[in-house]
Amino acid sequence: SQTIHQWPATLVQPVGSPLSLECTVEGTSNPNLYWYRQAAGRGLQLLFYSVGIGQISSEVPQNLSASRPQDRQFILSSKKLLLSDSGFYLCAWRGTGSPYNSPLHFGNGTRLTVT
Amino acid sequence: RKEVEQDPGPFNVPEGATVAFNCTYSNSASQSFFWYRQDCRKEPKLLMSVYSSGNEDGRFTAQLNRASQYISLLIRDSKLSDSATYLCVVNGARGTTDSWGKLQFGAGTQVVVTP
Repeated sequence: SQTIHQWPATLVQPVGSPLSLECTVEGTSNPNLYWYRQAAGRGLQLLFYSVGIGQISSEVPQNLSASRPQDRQFILSSKKLLLSDSGFYLCAWRGTGSPYNSPLHFGNGTRLTVT
Repeated sequence: RKEVEQDPGPFNVPEGATVAFNCTYSNSASQSFFWYRQDCRKEPKLLMSVYSSGNEDGRFTAQLNRASQYISLLIRDSKLSDSATYLCVVNGARGTTDSWGKLQFGAGTQVVVTP
């Protein structure tokens, strides 16, 4: 069965510091991968998605970036965090067989607080 | 207008009662629909997909009304453990530029089941 791992679970970082969140998927090949953010009391906002190694699509212009160095690895980064970057970051995957009927599967999330 | 809209609630439901709520979507060409459940400070988890003819999974029934562009979720015999936020998710239309890799999330409907 497929599993998705995301770490760390919680993170407290000062403004201006760098960020690196990592996500890996097991049990599937060539998944579509996603990074979402959920601000407190808000809905999910799609940040990046990837349909293959090195292929990244950005949905929202901001100081975050994403990379996919391996098929099942997705990394979210920032060179300098802002206070507004605080939130709940979720990595997700879904299969490529039928994007129109495949649900997303989420990792456990990283709760980021920028101080 | 938001692409996916939900009544935020909360819906306060006595244990054992039935609760139902809707989600409206703006893109008439949307192809697939899902309900997710999100517990406080946790990741969303797939509850069920929504099929054109409607479908049932135990105490949960999902319906799709394409003419009026909404989906619904009905929970029968509510349990205390059903307390959560229910997210409506809609996929884009086949062939549109944003349909591949992008799902639209509602902000969620909070359900509180009371003893």
